[in-house]
This record gives sequence, structure tokens and C-alpha cells, in this order.
Amino acid sequence: AQSVAQPEDQVNVAEGNPLTVKCTYSVSGNPYLFWYVQYPNRGLQFLLKYITGDNLVKGSYGFEAEFNKSQTSFHLKKPSALVSDSALYFCAVRSPYDWGNNRLAFGKGNQVVVIP
Amino acid sequence: GAGVSQSPSNKVTEKGKDVELRCDPISGHTALYWYRQSLGQGLEFLIYFQGNSAPDKSGLPSDRFSAERTGGSVSTLTIQRTQQEDSAVYLCASSPQGDRPYEQYFGPGTRLTVT
Repeated sequence: AQSVAQPEDQVNVAEGNPLTVKCTYSVSGNPYLFWYVQYPNRGLQFLLKYITGDNLVKGSYGFEAEFNKSQTSFHLKKPSALVSDSALYFCAVRSPYDWGNNRLAFGKGNQVVVIP
Repeated sequence: GAGVSQSPSNKVTEKGKDVELRCDPISGHTALYWYRQSLGQGLEFLIYFQGNSAPDKSGLPSDRFSAERTGGSVSTLTIQRTQQEDSAVYLCASSPQGDRPYEQYFGPGTRLTVT
């Protein structure tokens, strides 16, 4: 069964500094990987996904993520954090062998706090 | 266009009562998912509907939980004889097709509080 680990409960970063949110996964085969963001009292919003191709994926709001197969990681990055990036971030994975459904396994989420 | 909508946004109920949560997916999306989000627990998969296929109920935590999807569109999640541990945010999501790696589009959720 697929699973995701987000090892840090909270990430604190100063505004303007680089932001990294870590994610490692476990899945059979080449994974489909996703990042979502949840702002307070809102549903999850899709940021980006990796399906195949270039290991560096660019997404919404200036975020990007790098797929690293050898390290089974898919860390989310932003070169310069904004206070408005403060939110809960979820990594998710799906096995390509899950024929017939698109069930995602989500991590526990990382709270990002950007300090002005 | 309109996104996924859920109602009610908040529901407070007494232990032992039944509750119904509603989800309206994005028009044309054939796949619909229910998740439960508890504090510090991430998202827990509950149930998945894809077109006219039998739903994947493997995530439902007990037989007090059930869901249906009428006409391939609106879905209702029903929790019978609610317990305090059922308190959580229930999220619905939809996607264009279940067997492709499309991103899922989430609704704002229903916050359920069982007193």
C-alpha cells in the first residue's frame, strides 16, 4: 500500500527566505505525486503534480517540487516565502497500479508559518 | 465555473443522532471521493465513487457510515448513531475520471461536532 511521510509538523521560515516542505513516499512502481495547500477554514487547493517526465515540476503561486526517485522524495520548494504562504501543506501519492481508481494517500500535513 | 460545494458548512449534533452531509461535485466529474480530516491526523480516505461502478467503501470506519451517489452527481454521506470520535471535518472531492492521475478538486468541507 502506498504511504507518504511528512516528517516535520511545523516549518517556520522568515519572509523572503527559501521555503522547503519535505515529503517522502512509499509506493509500488513509479509514483504519481501531488501537493495540496489548505488555508484556514478552506478546502484543499491543488498546487502541482508529478506524473512523468521532468523531475522538476512547477506549480501555482511560485511553488515547485523536485521528484527524486533514488531518495523517494518529492520536496516542495519556494525561493522566497511570503506571509500569505502560511498554511497547511499536504503531500499525496498514488500508485500507477491502482487501476480503476484515483485514490490518494495523504501525509499528515505540514503547518508552514512565514514570519514577517 | 462552480467548484465542489458541500453543505452544511457546520453541523453540531448530539451523540446518538444521525447526520447527513451533502456534496455537489463539479459538473461532468465522474469520480467523487469522501475524506475525513481530524486534527493532526491528515486526510483519511472514506469512500470513492466512479461512474456507475460499485463504490470503493474500503475506508469507511464502521457500519454506521454509509454514502450514496444519486444520478452520478450529488452524494450524501450518512453517519448513524454519531459518536464523539466522529467529530472531524468531512471533505468531498471530485475529479474528471477515476482511473487517470487527475488532480482532485476539494470542497470547503463540513465541520461536524458531536456533543
